[in-house]
Amino acid sequence: ELKVEQNPLFLSMQEGKNYTIYCNYSTTSDRLYWYRQDPGKSLESLFVLLSNGAVKQEGRLMASLDTKARLSTLHITAAVHDLSATYFCAVDMAGNQFYFGTGTSLTVIP
Amino acid sequence: GAGVSQSPSNKVTEKGKDVELRCDPISGHTALYWYRQSLGQGLEFLIYFQGNSAPDKSGLPSDRFSAERTGGSVSTLTIQRTQQEDSAVYLCASSPKYPVGTSGGRSSYNEQFFGPGTRLTVL
Repeated sequence: ELKVEQNPLFLSMQEGKNYTIYCNYSTTSDRLYWYRQDPGKSLESLFVLLSNGAVKQEGRLMASLDTKARLSTLHITAAVHDLSATYFCAVDMAGNQFYFGTGTSLTVIP
Repeated sequence: GAGVSQSPSNKVTEKGKDVELRCDPISGHTALYWYRQSLGQGLEFLIYFQGNSAPDKSGLPSDRFSAERTGGSVSTLTIQRTQQEDSAVYLCASSPKYPVGTSGGRSSYNEQFFGPGTRLTVL
């Protein structure tokens, strides 16, 4: 069974700082998704990464995919309070099932 | 445009009762997924539909859980004889099974769109 691990599980950072969330997965896949979930809300799609070396950026978030290392990163630049949320990565196995990571709960402190 | 909708948004039931949860996917999306999220946890895959058929039921936790989809659209997840450990948020997602092009630099290939969830509490 595919395993998807995220670290850290909890992240508290000050506004203006940079940090990276890591997503490791255990088997070959070239499709990796990042989602954001606000407390009490559903999941919102952030990025879709479809090939080795893919890099996507939106605002202060940038995601990348290294399929050889089975690793995706979500980099936060100059964090702001509005980025506080839980971030999930998910790996797509032939579109039949998504395996979600454990989530990273991010708190940005003013 | 209309997104994925789920009903009810909240459901409180007594242990041993049956419950039905409903999901209305985005029109035209052929794939539909059910997940369960316990408090503070990640997402647990339950079942996946392609059209009306469910090629992957491996995630259903017990035979008390069943799901169906009719007309390639609405899906219902039924939990019989609910137990307290069934308490969770049940999320539904739909996706276009095949690539539909790009929008704003983000590929929509197999991307899942989630509903707001049904919060189930079993007393």
